[in-house]
Amino acid sequence: EVQLVESGGGLVKPGGSLRLSCGASGFTFSGHSMNWVRQAPGKGLEWVSFISSSSIYIQYADSVKGRFTISRDNAKDSLYLQMNSLRTEDTAVYYCARGIPERGAYDLWGPGTMVTVSS
Amino acid sequence: ETVLTQSPATLSLSPGERATLSCRASQSVTNFLAWYQQKPGQAPRLLIYDASTRATGIPARFSGSGSGTDFTLTISSLEPEDFAVYYCQQRSNWPTTFGQGTKVEIK
Repeated sequence: EVQLVESGGGLVKPGGSLRLSCGASGFTFSGHSMNWVRQAPGKGLEWVSFISSSSIYIQYADSVKGRFTISRDNAKDSLYLQMNSLRTEDTAVYYCARGIPERGAYDLWGPGTMVTVSS
Repeated sequence: ETVLTQSPATLSLSPGERATLSCRASQSVTNFLAWYQQKPGQAPRLLIYDASTRATGIPARFSGSGSGTDFTLTISSLEPEDFAVYYCQQRSNWPTTFGQGTKVEIK
């Protein structure tokens, strides 16, 4: 089955760290760019970070630049998001999403993992 | 950054009716616009990309149109499963941005 599954979410105090993982199956992971998108409770979608298929190109939203690090391991069909210096405003469901080659839209999403930053 | 403004915020319609959702960009995004559907507790699902191309498995009742700054998602005849929140997204200008969403609710 073609799917993405996130893990690693949880409750963390402000200033803390968390590492999210996204496992891919059913498709050639190394052939796709990947993204992290988040959604705060009751709010809309916010793009967080992008990584190209070979990790050559990496981008971050200004809101997370310098605090979050995206990476991938194509041998393990996995995507990661290292989140440091977490703030209360980082509280959200975090989705990993697959990019359509040359199109930029996201055609496959995981179910999401909840990150709560609270003291 | 490119701001996407969706209207209306809420659309109240009955099954079988036609739904017309709008997405307006603060600057041209050419045709690099996508539409997503999201139901409560679920991840978004891609409906349309490149303004008018239906994603794999998306029913023909969903159609997209527009270019430049004005885009429309049309659902020709609402099915019960179509009541959800719809988001537009542009990838023409960095960073990619999403609209705030239009909720299609049962009247």
